[in-house]
Amino acid sequence: DQQVKQNSPSLSVQEGRISILNCDYTNSMFDYFLWYKKYPAEGPTFLISISSIKDKNEDGRFTVFLNKSAKHLSLHIVPSQPGDSAVYFCAALPTGANSKLTFGKGITLSVRP
Amino acid sequence: DGGITQSPKYLFRKEGQNVTLSCEQNLNHDAMYWYRQDPGQGLRLIYYSQIVNDFQKGDIAEGYSVSREKKESFPLTVTSAQKNPTAFYLCASSIGVETQYFGPGTRLLVL
Repeated sequence: DQQVKQNSPSLSVQEGRISILNCDYTNSMFDYFLWYKKYPAEGPTFLISISSIKDKNEDGRFTVFLNKSAKHLSLHIVPSQPGDSAVYFCAALPTGANSKLTFGKGITLSVRP
Repeated sequence: DGGITQSPKYLFRKEGQNVTLSCEQNLNHDAMYWYRQDPGQGLRLIYYSQIVNDFQKGDIAEGYSVSREKKESFPLTVTSAQKNPTAFYLCASSIGVETQYFGPGTRLLVL
Protein backbone atom coordinates (compact mmCIF):
# COMPACT_ATOMS: atom_id res chain seq x y z
CA ASP A 1 0.00 0.00 0.00
CA GLN A 2 1.80 3.07 -1.28
CA GLN A 3 1.20 6.04 0.95
CA VAL A 4 3.21 8.46 -1.18
CA LYS A 5 2.54 8.28 -4.89
CA GLN A 6 4.41 9.82 -7.76
CA ASN A 7 2.27 8.53 -10.57
CA SER A 8 4.24 9.92 -13.50
CA PRO A 9 7.54 8.07 -13.80
CA SER A 10 9.10 10.64 -16.10
CA LEU A 11 8.82 14.21 -17.36
CA SER A 12 10.59 15.97 -20.20
CA VAL A 13 10.66 19.76 -20.54
CA GLN A 14 12.46 22.34 -22.61
CA GLU A 15 15.20 24.40 -21.00
CA GLY A 16 13.82 27.68 -19.67
CA ARG A 17 10.28 26.33 -19.26
CA ILE A 18 8.55 25.34 -16.05
CA SER A 19 8.81 21.81 -14.66
CA ILE A 20 5.93 20.65 -12.49
CA LEU A 21 6.44 17.45 -10.53
CA ASN A 22 3.43 16.05 -8.73
CA CYS A 23 3.04 13.95 -5.61
CA ASP A 24 -0.06 12.55 -3.90
CA TYR A 25 -0.38 11.02 -0.47
CA THR A 26 -3.00 9.00 1.32
CA ASN A 27 -2.04 9.21 4.99
CA SER A 28 -3.77 12.17 6.63
CA MET A 29 -1.22 11.98 9.47
CA PHE A 30 1.53 13.28 7.20
CA ASP A 31 2.33 16.85 8.17
CA TYR A 32 5.78 17.53 6.76
CA PHE A 33 6.86 17.01 3.18
CA LEU A 34 10.25 17.04 1.49
CA TRP A 35 11.63 16.86 -2.01
CA TYR A 36 14.94 15.20 -2.74
CA LYS A 37 16.95 15.26 -5.95
CA LYS A 38 19.08 12.31 -6.98
CA TYR A 39 21.67 11.89 -9.70
CA PRO A 40 22.58 8.35 -10.88
CA ALA A 41 24.89 6.44 -8.53
CA GLU A 42 24.76 9.20 -5.93
CA GLY A 43 22.82 9.72 -2.72
CA PRO A 44 19.75 11.97 -2.74
CA THR A 45 20.23 15.58 -1.76
CA PHE A 46 17.63 17.60 0.10
CA LEU A 47 15.97 20.22 -2.08
CA ILE A 48 13.06 21.87 -0.31
CA SER A 49 10.44 21.10 2.31
CA ILE A 50 7.06 22.32 3.47
CA SER A 51 5.11 22.02 6.68
CA SER A 52 1.39 21.36 6.63
CA ILE A 53 0.72 24.73 8.21
CA LYS A 54 1.83 26.35 4.96
CA ASP A 55 0.58 26.02 1.41
CA LYS A 56 3.67 27.32 -0.34
CA ASN A 57 7.41 27.45 0.21
CA GLU A 58 9.86 29.03 -2.17
CA ASP A 59 13.62 28.76 -2.51
CA GLY A 60 15.12 30.35 -5.58
CA ARG A 61 13.92 28.52 -8.68
CA PHE A 62 12.14 25.89 -6.60
CA THR A 63 8.66 26.26 -5.16
CA VAL A 64 6.64 23.59 -3.41
CA PHE A 65 2.86 23.89 -3.18
CA LEU A 66 0.75 21.89 -0.74
CA ASN A 67 -2.99 21.27 -1.08
CA LYS A 68 -3.95 19.48 2.12
CA SER A 69 -7.58 18.95 1.22
CA ALA A 70 -6.54 17.18 -1.98
CA LYS A 71 -3.57 15.46 -0.31
CA HIS A 72 -1.45 16.73 -3.14
CA LEU A 73 1.82 18.57 -3.43
CA SER A 74 3.83 19.75 -6.37
CA LEU A 75 7.34 20.98 -7.02
CA HIS A 76 7.75 23.78 -9.56
CA ILE A 77 11.12 24.52 -11.10
CA VAL A 78 11.32 27.79 -12.99
CA PRO A 79 13.22 28.21 -15.22
CA SER A 80 14.29 24.61 -15.80
CA GLN A 81 17.95 24.02 -16.56
CA PRO A 82 19.73 20.98 -18.04
CA GLY A 83 21.47 20.46 -14.69
CA ASP A 84 18.06 19.87 -13.13
CA SER A 85 17.85 16.55 -15.00
CA ALA A 86 17.67 13.97 -12.21
CA VAL A 87 15.27 11.78 -10.28
CA TYR A 88 13.08 13.69 -7.83
CA PHE A 89 11.68 11.94 -4.79
CA CYS A 90 8.78 13.21 -2.76
CA ALA A 91 8.85 12.19 0.91
CA ALA A 92 6.39 12.62 3.75
CA LEU A 93 6.65 12.53 7.53
CA PRO A 94 3.78 11.93 9.95
CA THR A 95 3.42 13.55 13.32
CA GLY A 96 5.11 11.82 16.24
CA ALA A 97 8.59 11.60 17.76
CA ASN A 98 9.36 8.20 16.26
CA SER A 99 8.01 8.91 12.82
CA LYS A 100 9.82 7.81 9.68
CA LEU A 101 10.05 9.29 6.22
CA THR A 102 8.00 7.58 3.52
CA PHE A 103 9.32 8.05 -0.01
CA GLY A 104 7.57 7.96 -3.34
CA LYS A 105 9.05 6.02 -6.26
CA GLY A 106 10.50 9.11 -7.88
CA ILE A 107 10.08 11.03 -11.11
CA THR A 108 12.83 11.23 -13.72
CA LEU A 109 13.07 14.79 -15.04
CA SER A 110 14.84 15.45 -18.31
CA VAL A 111 15.48 19.06 -19.31
CA ARG A 112 16.24 19.40 -23.00
CA PRO A 113 18.71 22.10 -24.05
CA ASP B 1 34.35 18.90 5.83
CA GLY B 2 31.21 17.54 7.45
CA GLY B 3 29.35 14.77 5.75
CA ILE B 4 28.41 11.14 5.41
CA THR B 5 30.74 8.60 3.90
CA GLN B 6 29.86 5.13 2.71
CA SER B 7 32.30 2.44 1.72
CA PRO B 8 32.92 0.65 -0.45
CA LYS B 9 31.35 2.22 -3.53
CA TYR B 10 30.89 -1.23 -5.07
CA LEU B 11 30.69 -4.52 -3.21
CA PHE B 12 30.45 -8.05 -4.52
CA ARG B 13 28.90 -10.84 -2.53
CA LYS B 14 29.19 -14.55 -3.10
CA GLU B 15 26.35 -16.94 -2.37
CA GLY B 16 26.03 -17.65 1.33
CA GLN B 17 28.36 -14.84 2.32
CA ASN B 18 27.70 -12.06 4.80
CA VAL B 19 28.95 -8.62 3.82
CA THR B 20 29.11 -5.39 5.79
CA LEU B 21 28.54 -1.92 4.40
CA SER B 22 30.15 0.97 6.22
CA CYS B 23 28.48 4.29 7.04
CA GLU B 24 30.22 7.07 8.95
CA GLN B 25 29.08 10.61 9.66
CA ASN B 26 30.80 13.55 11.29
CA LEU B 27 27.74 15.77 11.42
CA ASN B 28 27.08 14.97 15.07
CA HIS B 29 23.63 13.69 14.09
CA ASP B 30 21.83 11.46 16.54
CA ALA B 31 19.72 9.56 14.03
CA MET B 32 20.99 7.31 11.25
CA TYR B 33 19.17 5.28 8.63
CA TRP B 34 19.71 2.59 6.02
CA TYR B 35 17.67 2.51 2.83
CA ARG B 36 17.61 0.24 -0.16
CA GLN B 37 16.83 1.46 -3.67
CA ASP B 38 15.87 -0.89 -6.49
CA PRO B 39 15.39 0.21 -10.12
CA GLY B 40 12.13 2.08 -10.56
CA GLN B 41 11.47 1.97 -6.84
CA GLY B 42 11.58 4.53 -4.11
CA LEU B 43 13.75 4.31 -1.06
CA ARG B 44 12.72 1.58 1.34
CA LEU B 45 13.79 1.76 4.97
CA ILE B 46 15.80 -1.19 6.27
CA TYR B 47 16.84 -0.12 9.77
CA TYR B 48 17.15 3.11 11.67
CA SER B 49 18.74 4.26 14.89
CA GLN B 50 17.75 7.34 16.82
CA ILE B 51 20.42 7.04 19.48
CA VAL B 52 23.57 5.09 20.24
CA ASN B 53 23.04 1.45 21.26
CA ASP B 54 19.46 1.50 20.01
CA PHE B 55 17.96 0.70 16.63
CA GLN B 56 14.64 -0.32 15.13
CA LYS B 57 13.55 -2.37 12.15
CA GLY B 58 12.26 -0.55 9.14
CA ASP B 59 9.95 -1.87 6.46
CA ILE B 60 12.29 -4.49 4.98
CA ALA B 61 14.63 -5.58 7.79
CA GLU B 62 14.62 -9.31 7.04
CA GLY B 63 18.05 -10.57 6.04
CA TYR B 64 19.84 -7.53 7.41
CA SER B 65 21.45 -6.61 10.72
CA VAL B 66 22.92 -3.40 12.14
CA SER B 67 24.80 -2.10 15.13
CA ARG B 68 25.16 1.37 16.64
CA GLU B 69 28.06 1.26 19.05
CA LYS B 70 29.23 4.77 18.22
CA LYS B 71 27.28 7.91 17.35
CA GLU B 72 29.18 8.40 14.10
CA SER B 73 28.97 4.84 12.78
CA PHE B 74 26.06 2.68 11.64
CA PRO B 75 27.26 -0.40 9.72
CA LEU B 76 24.81 -2.62 7.85
CA THR B 77 25.40 -6.35 7.42
CA VAL B 78 23.67 -8.08 4.54
CA THR B 79 23.37 -11.68 5.67
CA SER B 80 23.06 -14.84 3.61
CA ALA B 81 19.38 -14.85 4.58
CA GLN B 82 18.77 -11.90 2.26
CA LYS B 83 17.83 -13.70 -0.94
CA ASN B 84 17.78 -10.69 -3.23
CA PRO B 85 20.59 -8.43 -2.03
CA THR B 86 21.46 -6.76 -5.34
CA ALA B 87 20.55 -3.09 -4.88
CA PHE B 88 21.85 0.39 -4.21
CA TYR B 89 22.19 0.96 -0.47
CA LEU B 90 21.94 4.43 0.99
CA CYS B 91 22.82 5.60 4.47
CA ALA B 92 21.41 8.81 5.89
CA SER B 93 21.56 10.81 9.10
CA SER B 94 19.53 13.57 10.67
CA ILE B 95 19.41 15.76 13.75
CA GLY B 96 15.71 15.27 14.36
CA VAL B 97 13.17 13.33 12.38
CA GLU B 98 12.93 15.81 9.54
CA THR B 99 15.59 16.53 6.95
CA GLN B 100 17.84 13.58 6.29
CA TYR B 101 21.25 13.88 4.68
CA PHE B 102 22.41 11.01 2.52
CA GLY B 103 25.73 9.41 1.79
CA PRO B 104 26.91 8.58 -1.75
CA GLY B 105 25.65 4.99 -1.62
CA THR B 106 27.06 1.49 -2.04
CA ARG B 107 26.07 -0.74 -4.93
CA LEU B 108 25.95 -4.39 -3.91
CA LEU B 109 26.19 -7.05 -6.59
CA VAL B 110 25.94 -10.80 -6.26
CA LEU B 111 28.51 -13.00 -8.00
